[in-house]
Amino acid sequence: AQSVTQLDSQVPVFEEAPVELRCNYSSSVSVYLFWYVQYPNQGLQLLLKYLSGSTLVKGINGFEAEFNKSQTSFHLRKPSVHISDTAEYFCAVSDSDTDKLIFGTGTRLQVFP
Amino acid sequence: NAGVMQNPRHLVRRRGQEARLRCSPMKGHSHVYWYRQLPEEGLKFMVYLQKENIIDESGMPKERFSAEFPKEGPSILRIQQVVRGDSAAYFCASSPYDVSYEQYFGPGTRLTVT
Repeated sequence: AQSVTQLDSQVPVFEEAPVELRCNYSSSVSVYLFWYVQYPNQGLQLLLKYLSGSTLVKGINGFEAEFNKSQTSFHLRKPSVHISDTAEYFCAVSDSDTDKLIFGTGTRLQVFP
Repeated sequence: NAGVMQNPRHLVRRRGQEARLRCSPMKGHSHVYWYRQLPEEGLKFMVYLQKENIIDESGMPKERFSAEFPKEGPSILRIQQVVRGDSAAYFCASSPYDVSYEQYFGPGTRLTVT
């Protein structure tokens, strides 16, 4: 069965600094990978997704992620964070055989002024 | 195009009562998924439905929980005889028929059992 590991439960960072949120998944023949953001007391918003093709995926709000098949990773990056990026970030995976999403436990990004 | 709608947004129930959570998918979407988020945890898949059909309920607790997605009207997640451990945020997501891996989430229903 698929699984997702988000190694960092919390990531504190100062405004305008770069950030990387790590995500590793269990290997599979083919996977679809996603990053979602959850602001306090709200639902999940899709940041970006990898389905196939280019391994560098660009999403909304200046975020990007790189699919690395050999390392089974899909780390999320932003070169310069803003206070408004403070939120919970979830990595998720689905495979071609099932339709459900398997989520990591989340990483809380806290941006300080 | 309205997004996925869930109601109520907050629900308080006493132990032993029934909780009924509703989800209206995005227009044109025929697939509905329910997920549960316990405090300080990620989302866990519960059930996947299409109109009048349960496709995958592997994440549903065996007792007290049921889900339906009728031909007309919203999808309903029903929890009978709620217990304190049912307190959580319940999220619904929907997807169109031909891109079932692309799920759009509603704002969630936060259930508190007292």
